[in-house]
Amino acid sequence: GENVEQHPSTLSVQEGDSAVIKCTYSDSASNYFPWYKQELGKRPQLIIDIRSNVGEKKDQRIAVTLNKTAKHFSLHITETQPEDSAVYFCAATQYNNNDMRFGAGTRLTVKP
Amino acid sequence: DTEVTQTPKHLVMGMTNKKSLKCEQHMGHRAMYWYKQKAKKPPELMFVYSYEKLSINESVPSRFSPECPNSSLLNLHLHALQPEDSALYLCASSQAGGRELFFGEGSRLTVL
Repeated sequence: GENVEQHPSTLSVQEGDSAVIKCTYSDSASNYFPWYKQELGKRPQLIIDIRSNVGEKKDQRIAVTLNKTAKHFSLHITETQPEDSAVYFCAATQYNNNDMRFGAGTRLTVKP
Repeated sequence: DTEVTQTPKHLVMGMTNKKSLKCEQHMGHRAMYWYKQKAKKPPELMFVYSYEKLSINESVPSRFSPECPNSSLLNLHLHALQPEDSALYLCASSQAGGRELFFGEGSRLTVL
């Protein structure tokens, strides 16, 4: 399965600032890149995903960018709020492939 | 119905016990997953069923035995577990591979 490296492992920002989390992958055949958010004591939930036929996708304050050449993709959160505090996991796989493995996770803390 | 339901929510068992974790979804999803999550770690893929057939087995010890009786149900049979198997066991389902995973709330297992 695909191995994904995720950085940083922890990130602390002030409310209203932006946060960026980066992931790199190794398999050039990977074409589906989801991001999951897991709040403390809760289940992981998909917040945004991107397929390799686009370079960027936005959903309100959240965006994901993909650089296929460099094999990395990033999650961008703007105007952070305390409720954005959670652990974020990236993954990389092939569309229609069941092998979904996660990066090590980034613990984001947004300070009021 | 967009829920994945897991039972029990909590389970305490001795090393000689036999128990089962259950997972159910009624979204018509054809892929179902078991993940193991230790504290402050990402979900770790254990098994994947696709169209009721085991498609991925991540070299999980035989004391964990998955079963998919039908397209809506997924079981994880536990026998002779070790204390290090204590973790949160997450079930997930997806429409197909490489798509959004819908997670259950998890079953927190403690092995004494």
